[in-house]
Amino acid sequence: SQTIHQWPATLVQPVGSPLSLECTVEGTSNPNLYWYRQAAGRGLQLLFYSVGIGQISSEVPQNLSASRPQDRQFILSSKKLLLSDSGFYLCAWSVRPSYEQYFGPGTRLTVT
Amino acid sequence: AQSVTQLDSQVPVFEEAPVELRCNYSSSVSVYLFWYVQYPNQGLQLLLKYLSGSTLVKGINGFEAEFNKSQTSFHLRKPSVHISDTAEYFCAVSEAGSARQLTFGSGTQLTVLP
Repeated sequence: SQTIHQWPATLVQPVGSPLSLECTVEGTSNPNLYWYRQAAGRGLQLLFYSVGIGQISSEVPQNLSASRPQDRQFILSSKKLLLSDSGFYLCAWSVRPSYEQYFGPGTRLTVT
Repeated sequence: AQSVTQLDSQVPVFEEAPVELRCNYSSSVSVYLFWYVQYPNQGLQLLLKYLSGSTLVKGINGFEAEFNKSQTSFHLRKPSVHISDTAEYFCAVSEAGSARQLTFGSGTQLTVLP
């Protein structure tokens, strides 16, 4: 069966510090991968999605970036965090034919 | 492009009562429809999905939803709710067969009262 991992589970970082969140998927090949952010009490905002290694599409201009160095690994990064980067970050994967998305447990990021 | 409207941001209901969470969508092409549930500080869990075929879809935890193409709706129902059903529920739509993203509604907070 397929599983998706995210780490760390929680993170507290000062403004201006770098960020690296990691997501890995097991039990499937060539998945589509997604990063979402969920601000407190709000819906989901798609940040990035990837249909293959090295292929990243950005949905929202911001100081975040994403990379996919391996088929089942998706990384969210920032060189300098802003207060507005605080939120709950979710990684998800999907495959053919229906492309429903399956979500990881999330990372709670607090920028202080 | 698709859009999703969840008509109620909060729905309080007493335990063992029926509940309906409303979802309307807009799209110029054929769509797939989904309902997800999110418990506090957790990721989203897929409740059910409509891809094609029967318009009444049954999911996990006793939930079901009905696809109504003429009314562009996909309402979620449960005949008798439990305290453990308290959570945020998200409706989502995608272009049928597309590898791209889901479009999510803004969510409905279901609170089951004792």
